[in-house]
Amino acid sequence: AQSVAQPEDQVNVAEGNPLTVKCTYSVSGNPYLFWYVQYPNRGLQFLLKYITGDNLVKGSYGFEAEFNKSQTSFHLKKPSALVSDSALYFCAVSAGYKYIFGTGTRLKVLA
Amino acid sequence: EPEVTQTPSHQVTQMGQEVILRCVPISNHLYFYWYRQILGQKVEFLVSFYNNEISEKSEIFDDQFSVERPDGSNFTLKIRSTKLEDSAMYFCASNWAGNTGELFFGEGSRLTVL
Repeated sequence: AQSVAQPEDQVNVAEGNPLTVKCTYSVSGNPYLFWYVQYPNRGLQFLLKYITGDNLVKGSYGFEAEFNKSQTSFHLKKPSALVSDSALYFCAVSAGYKYIFGTGTRLKVLA
Repeated sequence: EPEVTQTPSHQVTQMGQEVILRCVPISNHLYFYWYRQILGQKVEFLVSFYNNEISEKSEIFDDQFSVERPDGSNFTLKIRSTKLEDSAMYFCASNWAGNTGELFFGEGSRLTVL
């Protein structure tokens, strides 16, 4: 069965430092992977996706993610965190006629 | 920029009552979804809809739930007889590309069942 795992409930990082939010996946066939961000009392917003091609994917707000097939990972990264990046981040995988979301990682960027 | 709109933003209902949550997906999108989120945590799949029929539904989506696209623009989720555990934020989403495309989410409808 298709699944994604986000091993960290919360990640704390100082403003200006690089951030990483981890995601691993388990799929049969080619994975279609996504990252979304959710601010309080809002819907999920798309950040980036990996469908095929270059393993390093660039997305909105300076975020990027690296697809690693051997480690079955799709970690979200940003070189320099902003306080405004503080939010809930979800990794997702496409599975047939649905998308399966991870449990979410709360990112807290400290000023 | 086009967006998915959902109404109502918040609904309070008594247990056993019927509730209809409404969504207007982005106009050229073909695939429609309902998800729910309890207490701001896990985002759970309910149902997907394409070409006027359900493509897939989860175990949560039992006989108390139904979806409809009555007029080519609205996409509704009906809960026939609400239970306390149906209290959640319900999100509608849509896309045009199916499983390779990103989802566009609405702002959600908060359902509180008393």
